[in-house]
Amino acid sequence: SAVISQKPSRDICQRGTSLTIQCQVDSQVTMMFWYRQQPGQSLTLIATANQGSEATYESGFVIDKFPISRPNLTFSTLTVSNMSPEDSSIYLCSVAGTSGSDTQYFGPGTRLTVL
Amino acid sequence: TQLLEQSPQFLSIQEGENLTVYCNSSSVFSSLQWYRQEPGEGPVLLVTVVTGGEVKKLKRLTFQFGDARKDSSLHITAAQPGDTGLYLCAGAPTSGTYKYIFGTGTRLKVLA
Repeated sequence: SAVISQKPSRDICQRGTSLTIQCQVDSQVTMMFWYRQQPGQSLTLIATANQGSEATYESGFVIDKFPISRPNLTFSTLTVSNMSPEDSSIYLCSVAGTSGSDTQYFGPGTRLTVL
Repeated sequence: TQLLEQSPQFLSIQEGENLTVYCNSSSVFSSLQWYRQEPGEGPVLLVTVVTGGEVKKLKRLTFQFGDARKDSSLHITAAQPGDTGLYLCAGAPTSGTYKYIFGTGTRLKVLA
């Protein structure tokens, strides 16, 4: 299994500002993903964080709005840029490919409120 | 675009009742997972089903993958308040991929 921590756990931000969310895993993993979960809804994949190269974004998500870094196999960041109230959501980091398993593990999430 | 529709969207039942949650798609998936998510937490994997027609049991939870691998169901027997949460199915479009498409979710509340 993998233990995933995210920082911050929650934040309240002003419109127009940016927030960087950190995701730390306790072991090296093959894949890291970032998801968005709007209140009471399901998960939408934002992007796959690739080590040492640009992230792979899903349709509807762009690098300028959600820049992602992944400097090594245990750490990634997601920045939500130029925030608006529509960005209020839970942002979840997930990992897969630990110890040869394809199970996907999720972090506890970061609850973001934009005023 | 592959979609996974879950039904019902919301379910409130009394402790001890049985229930079934459905996960349906028009697309074929190589595997399907079920997760449960509690408030303030990330989703936690309950089971993965891979073979069409496969049935897996996890205590009071029974999971079935449709013969055509387009749908799945989760049946809970004698529900307990601890079963309360958001249930999500997630399908893998191709084998060996870690990218899953998540269902629309079913929010279950079990009343004591």
